[in-house]
Parts: sequence; structure tokens; C-alpha cells
Amino acid sequence: DIQMTQSPSSLSASVGDRVTITCRASHAVGYYLAWYQQRPGKPPELLIYAASTLQSGVRESRFSGSGSGTDFTLTINSLQPEDVATYYCQRYNTAPPDFGPGTKVDIK
Amino acid sequence: QVHLVESGGGVAQPGTSLRLSCVASGFTLSRYGMHWVRQAPGKGPEWVAAISSDGSSIYYVDSVKGRFTISRDNSKNTLSLQMSSLRLEDTAVYYCVRGPTYLITYFDSWGQGTPVTVSS
Repeated sequence: DIQMTQSPSSLSASVGDRVTITCRASHAVGYYLAWYQQRPGKPPELLIYAASTLQSGVRESRFSGSGSGTDFTLTINSLQPEDVATYYCQRYNTAPPDFGPGTKVDIK
Repeated sequence: QVHLVESGGGVAQPGTSLRLSCVASGFTLSRYGMHWVRQAPGKGPEWVAAISSDGSSIYYVDSVKGRFTISRDNSKNTLSLQMSSLRLEDTAVYYCVRGPTYLITYFDSWGQGTPVTVSS
């Protein structure tokens, strides 16, 4: 089984800060990596797929993704109050697809 | 606009059954693989089951094999999940989710979810 980890598990940053979240797979997953944002009380929302492709309709272009193989990064440029959420990575190179444990982002 | 609306959740005793339904609108259901993803309280999402666009292929996570059955009716724009022999660990919010493809896929649209609580 491929294990997914995320770091940090939580972070607190100021409005306007640049925030970086890391997702690591125990075995290479190519570019088959997606990122989701889940605001409190809401379902997850797809932000990025194929490691770096911004999902259509995601208005906030301050989100970007990078990486391949085993190491991936989600970057939020200029953190905003509406970005308070938990962020999950998800690999989909093989079935069953699997999610990371999440990173909770707060405003300092 | 894609719209997925789940129903059928509730409180159930261990060993009993529940049937979840999802009504899809705003897109052509027959063109997409569909999935159920659940999220236990305070936990990350867990993929549960997938069904191909025409219903000919189905896949389950090991923990629900033999207990859950996913099905779809493209003519009625509906997706279903029949859950039997429920366990305490099945307690979660269950989401109806669209994937661009059947198995090797991310999930581009989610319903609001229906909560399932298994408790004695």
C-alpha cells in the first residue's frame, strides 16, 4: 500500500503570508496527485489535479501546486481569511484512491 | 452547474441496513464515473466505492466489500449505496462524488453529504 503523509498537520499564518503545505507518498505516484480545500462544515472542493493544474472555476489563482513522484507542494500566495480550511492531498495513480491526513490552516 | 444531492442517512443500529441515494443534475450522468466517499468525524475523506459510467464495472474499498452495493440509474439521474451489516466504524458523512473517470481519478464535484451514525 502507498502511504500518504502531509506536513505540517496544522499551521497558523498572517494575512498576506505565503503558505506551503507538503504531501509525500511512500512510493512514486507520477503526477497523479490532487489537492482539495475543505472549509468548516462544507464538503471538500477540488483545487488542483495532475499535481499542478488549477481546476476550472477555482477563482483564486493564488493557489498553485508542484511536484512529481513522491514529493508535492501546495502553495497559497498571500493568505486570505477565506482560506481558513483543511487541505488534503489525494493520490489517484492506482485504485483505491487515497487521501492524506490533512493540514489545517488558520489565521494568526 | 453540477448539483449532487444525497439523502437517506440517519441513525442505525449495528448489523442493520441503510440505503443512500444521490440525485444528479446539471450534467450528463451517463458520461461520468461516480463514487461514494465518506468522512468520519474529525478524519480525512475515505473513498468507499466506484461505478463506471455505464454501470458495468464496480470497485469497493476492502472494508465494505460484501456489505455495501453501489448502483446507478442513468435514466433517472440517480446513484445509490445499499449498506448492510452496518458497523460502528461506518459512522461518517457520506458524499456522492463525480470523477472524470472511473477508477484512476480525482473528484471534481461533491454533494453536501448525508450523515450516517451507527450506534447501539
